[in-house]
Amino acid sequence: DVQMTQSPSYLAASPGESVSISCKASKSINTYLAWYQEKPGKTNKLLIYSGSTLQSGTPSRFSGSGSGTDFTLTIRSLEPEDFAVYYCQQHNEYPLTFGSGTKLEIK
Amino acid sequence: QVQLKESGPGLVQPSQTLSLTCTVSGFSLTSYNVHWVRQPPGKGLEWMGRMRYNGDTSYNSALKSRLSISRDTSKNQVFLKMNSLQTDDTGTYYCTRDLGRYYGYNYFDYWGQGVMVTVSS
Repeated sequence: DVQMTQSPSYLAASPGESVSISCKASKSINTYLAWYQEKPGKTNKLLIYSGSTLQSGTPSRFSGSGSGTDFTLTIRSLEPEDFAVYYCQQHNEYPLTFGSGTKLEIK
Repeated sequence: QVQLKESGPGLVQPSQTLSLTCTVSGFSLTSYNVHWVRQPPGKGLEWMGRMRYNGDTSYNSALKSRLSISRDTSKNQVFLKMNSLQTDDTGTYYCTRDLGRYYGYNYFDYWGQGVMVTVSS
């Protein structure tokens, strides 16, 4: 199975700042990586797929980059609604696997 | 609009069988794949398996011997059954829709709210 290692597990930032979250795969997954946002009381939201393609409705302040084994989710100019938990997921092979999550909190 | 809703017992005894239902609306099960994902308390997400639009299934090999996914397209429902439950099967169980129509892309554009399942005597 492809192991997905996400870091940091916890991140504190202020609105207006930019942050980056890393996701590393235990072997190459080409660009087949998705990012999700989890917020209390809401269903999980797909943000990005295939490494860098924004899902419809995802604000342009979100961006994804990377290929092979190293990927990054960047959020520019944080808005209050961005404070949430973020997960990466590889969609290159079965079984599909997820990172352990990054909790982004307001500083 | 697209919705998925999980239902099932909140408490299951060890060694018993878990039965969950995912009721979908706003799309057809004969056009989209539906996956099951679970999350133990305080831990990450685990992909369990999927029901393809054509009725085929795929399972996580770690669960394959205990897991069965089926559907009733007339009722817009997908079912999950997992036997021999243990305490580490406790968690929130989600059904999700694959973004890709017919050809699955293996990422999920809609999620249910999830159902919490506790395995305990």
